[in-house]
Amino acid sequence: DSGVTQTPKHLITATGQRVTLRCSPRSGDLSVYWYQQSLDQGLQFLIQYYNGEERAKGNILERFSAQQFPDLHSELNLSSLELGDSALYFCASTQGPTTEAFFGQGTRLTVV
Amino acid sequence: SQQGEEDPQALSIQEGENATMNCSYKTSINNLQWYRQNSGRGLVHLILIRSNEREKHSGRLRVTLDTSKKSSSLLITASRAADTASYFCATDQGAQKLVFGQGTRLTINP
Repeated sequence: DSGVTQTPKHLITATGQRVTLRCSPRSGDLSVYWYQQSLDQGLQFLIQYYNGEERAKGNILERFSAQQFPDLHSELNLSSLELGDSALYFCASTQGPTTEAFFGQGTRLTVV
Repeated sequence: SQQGEEDPQALSIQEGENATMNCSYKTSINNLQWYRQNSGRGLVHLILIRSNEREKHSGRLRVTLDTSKKSSSLLITASRAADTASYFCATDQGAQKLVFGQGTRLTINP
């Protein structure tokens, strides 16, 4: 158990809909990363937060947004969903900006 | 664009043999990390090597880092069936992003 909790584990939704993925980082970790992994692909970096502030942005679509709350949990919002958004979405947390990352088990999103 | 690129993309060996995977990156780094991912699961951290280190060991894992060539290698000795997984390198780019490569899919045949 990495200590990082992601909910829900599975999500099936229709095109055009909006969903929210939630991540609770490991106790004491201030930094949260979000990644997208399509089938058998590498991890695409989406966005990073550190202690509530956005620190780095990757190839995140404008339809996607995220935030980190005062209690350090983070949410990734995906809107106007398309079939191509179907993927595994991972959250990871670290103590510092680029120290060892602990990953959640991911949310498998299926857009139908 | 991806910072780390693993090579080969896929590797299949017999149990007991050694497996070597390589990672190349483009910009200067503070550290480089290797992770393992079992199918569809979250990534698990294996080892971190800092830019001023050249080699690091952890159990059956040996990681080397050559900053002049911007490359790293992961050696798994005496492979086991349980080592079957995808292996990713990750670099920090010095910009507080942790960026992963496409991974090497390792299959250990009994």
